[in-house]
Amino acid sequence: NAGVMQNPRHLVRRRGQEARLRCSPMKGHSHVYWYRQLPEEGLKFMVYLQKENIIDESGMPKERFSAEFPKEGPSILRIQQVVRGDSAAYFCASSQGLGNQPQHFGDGTRLSIL
Amino acid sequence: QKEVEQDPGPLSVPEGAIVSLNCTYSNSAFQYFMWYRQYSRKGPELLMYTYSSGNKEDGRFTAQVDKSSKYISLFIRDSQPSDSATYLCAMSDSSSNTGKLIFGQGTTLQVKP
Repeated sequence: NAGVMQNPRHLVRRRGQEARLRCSPMKGHSHVYWYRQLPEEGLKFMVYLQKENIIDESGMPKERFSAEFPKEGPSILRIQQVVRGDSAAYFCASSQGLGNQPQHFGDGTRLSIL
Repeated sequence: QKEVEQDPGPLSVPEGAIVSLNCTYSNSAFQYFMWYRQYSRKGPELLMYTYSSGNKEDGRFTAQVDKSSKYISLFIRDSQPSDSATYLCAMSDSSSNTGKLIFGQGTTLQVKP
């Protein structure tokens, strides 16, 4: 399967723990985007990265959230000291080229906070 | 006011019907328009991708963009039970060059056999 791969598919954390979500883009794609989908809401943009660079993080909460896309390996979305309000589905998308190329999505990580 | 408005439905139609899904938007800078289909517990799947105004057809699906009215549509002909899903419109501002997509809330469609 050459699609966008996200893992884990489900993640359960207790309040105060850290959550790490991983995303491997489609083969040949070097642009990665993270979106969050809250219950009964649409997808909200969080961050756009290229290899080793954060291009646009205008949708990221100012605290506790960070993202990286290292030279080798998957992109990581990291949430520190999770709270109940972080419970959501987190989706990663990738594209082949500049910002307005079509974005293809993975099946998401569903994060539940106890 | 949201940048992109989409009626959440649910919309229920009989098999074989023509389905019309719509979104309105407020930002005149949007140039790229997409429709995604999302099944329960899965990620959005790209259906249609259009630039600026006009029509685009792909099999049973037709996408229309009317920039003068800030209105986009997706038509599904000969709808099938397998089309039952949530349909998301999305758009981006070409001037930002980041590809950040703004999504509608999604319309839930049920096609009854």
